[in-house]
Amino acid sequence: AQSVTQPDIHITVSEGASLELRCNYSYGATPYLFWYVQSPGQGLQLLLKYFSGDTLVQGIKGFEAEFKRSQSSFNLRKPSVHWSDAAEYFCAVGASRDYKLSFGAGTTVTVRA
Amino acid sequence: DVKVTQSSRYLVKRTGEKVFLECVQDMDHENMFWYRQDPGLGLRLIYFSYDVKMKEKGDIPEGYSVSREKKERFSLILESASTNQTSMYLCASSFGRGSLAFFGQGTRLTVV
Repeated sequence: AQSVTQPDIHITVSEGASLELRCNYSYGATPYLFWYVQSPGQGLQLLLKYFSGDTLVQGIKGFEAEFKRSQSSFNLRKPSVHWSDAAEYFCAVGASRDYKLSFGAGTTVTVRA
Repeated sequence: DVKVTQSSRYLVKRTGEKVFLECVQDMDHENMFWYRQDPGLGLRLIYFSYDVKMKEKGDIPEGYSVSREKKERFSLILESASTNQTSMYLCASSFGRGSLAFFGQGTRLTVV
């Protein structure tokens, strides 16, 4: 069975500082990996996805993530955080033979001025 | 743009009531999902459907049922609502296996 771990429940970062959110997955085959963002009171919006190919993927809103197979990780990064990036972030894993995605518990990001 | 629409943003129901949460998608997606979101637990899959009239249990199906009579519509049913079903419910749809999911805005259900 696939599973996802987001070790950080809450991160506080200053506006303009860099951000890195950690995600580790467990899956027996090559996973499909996703990062979603949820602003307060909203549904989930896809930030970026990895299916295959280049292990560094670019997403919307200036986010990027790197797939590291040896570490079973898919960490999300942003070089300079804006106040509007305050939200909850979810990492998810899927697979070509599965219909469903499995989600991590989420990381809440607070941005301070 | 893909649109997944949930019929209600907020609902308040009484214990023991039968509750219907409706979800409609407009992109002819094969797959539809119901997740429950609780603080610290992330999203947990309740049920999903990969075709009309087909359904599969997810990780936490107890106390819930679903109906998919038409491809675009997927309903979550709480047969007898209980206070521990107070939560945010998210509907999603996707096309094919392993593909990304598109989410609705969510329904925050409170059972009193």
